[in-house]
Amino acid sequence: TQLLEQSPQFLSIQEGENLTVYCNSSSVFSSLQWYRQEPGEGPVLLVTVVTGGEVKKLKRLTFQFGDARKDSSLHITAAQPGDTGLYLCAGAAGSARQLTFGSGTQLTVLP
Amino acid sequence: EADIYQTPRYLVIGTGKKITLECSQTMGHDKMYWYQQDPGMELHLIHYSYGVNSTEKGDLSSESTVSRIRTEHFPLTLESARPSHTSQYLCASSEPGPRDTQYFGPGTRLTVL
Repeated sequence: TQLLEQSPQFLSIQEGENLTVYCNSSSVFSSLQWYRQEPGEGPVLLVTVVTGGEVKKLKRLTFQFGDARKDSSLHITAAQPGDTGLYLCAGAAGSARQLTFGSGTQLTVLP
Repeated sequence: EADIYQTPRYLVIGTGKKITLECSQTMGHDKMYWYQQDPGMELHLIHYSYGVNSTEKGDLSSESTVSRIRTEHFPLTLESARPSHTSQYLCASSEPGPRDTQYFGPGTRLTVL
């Protein structure tokens, strides 16, 4: 069973600050997804990365997949209260390529 | 944008009741999944299906059962609900291809009294 560790588990910052969330594993993943989830709702896909070293930008969000495809990071520039939510990484591996989810990072951006 | 629906969104029932949580998708995806999630925590896979008449148990042991008679429909049933079943249940489907991206429904928040 692949394990994905996310850090930090909780993060509370002021509007305008930058932050980085990490997703680490000892396993190699064929792809990795980042989701954002709001209370009482299902996770919403932010990005999928498949190539080692890949960097994707989505407005103020920058996602990076590690060269060895074992880890990933999410960087948010100038955070806004609307960025508040639970951020989940999920990696696909093995012949079945099911997703293994990280434990999540609860982000709160204060106005 | 994926079209995947779950009903009901919220359900409060008494112990011992039989319930069915509905999940439907309109994308024609073969792969569908059920996850269980406690508030603010990680998702745990409880069931999955790779097509009609195919169902498998996930990593987290669950007393629920599923069926896949039609591609678009993947209901989950609890024969006798207990307070330990209180949780959020999320349904997802994934498109074919190497990206393994899953699209989630809004979830059903189940409370068993």
